[in-house]
Amino acid sequence: GESVGLHLPTLSVQEGDNSIINCAYSNSASDYFIWYKQESGKGPQFIIDIRSNMDKRQGQRVTVLLNKTVKHLSLQIAATQPGDSAVYFCAERNQAGTALIFGKGTTLSVSS
Amino acid sequence: NAGVMQNPRHLVRRRGQEARLRCSPMKGHSHVYWYRQLPEEGLKFMVYLQKENIIDESGMPKERFSAEFPKEGPSILRIQQVVRGDSAAYFCASSERTGDLNYGYTFGSGTRLTVV
Repeated sequence: GESVGLHLPTLSVQEGDNSIINCAYSNSASDYFIWYKQESGKGPQFIIDIRSNMDKRQGQRVTVLLNKTVKHLSLQIAATQPGDSAVYFCAERNQAGTALIFGKGTTLSVSS
Repeated sequence: NAGVMQNPRHLVRRRGQEARLRCSPMKGHSHVYWYRQLPEEGLKFMVYLQKENIIDESGMPKERFSAEFPKEGPSILRIQQVVRGDSAAYFCASSERTGDLNYGYTFGSGTRLTVV
């Protein structure tokens, strides 16, 4: 069935370090993936997306890598800041193309 | 331009009562999606609606849960005879077009339902 998951539930880094958050998915037919950031008490906020015909996409301070061979994607955050502290979710589009399937999330804690 | 508005932000219900959660989509958005988030979990899709139509309810529990998106007014997620297991955060998202799942897919801040 369709499912996504994350390797680690928590990640602690120092301010200024680079952070890497990983996600594994099971549906080899998945064609679209998104990373979301969720701060406490708020809804998920879109960070960056990637289609399956790409293996890398860069945004401002963030990069998403997609490895279709091992069904793995990662989110890299450069020069992590305290404001990056949140729960990060990967999500994939469902087969109908009408909704998102979320993984469990990784809590990123950034200390000064 | 206001984002997706959900109310109430917090809702406490006793077991057996009904819960009504409201979602007003972003201006210009006619597609609404409901998700449920249990503690320490990711969001789980429940239902996708357009005005006056349910498009995909594959994630809705078979009993006690219903959703509507009338021609006028907000979308409503209704939970009848709530049980403790219904305690969760319920999020609504909206989009302008079907299949629009990127930055145009905007989430509200959620309603946190607590059943006591």
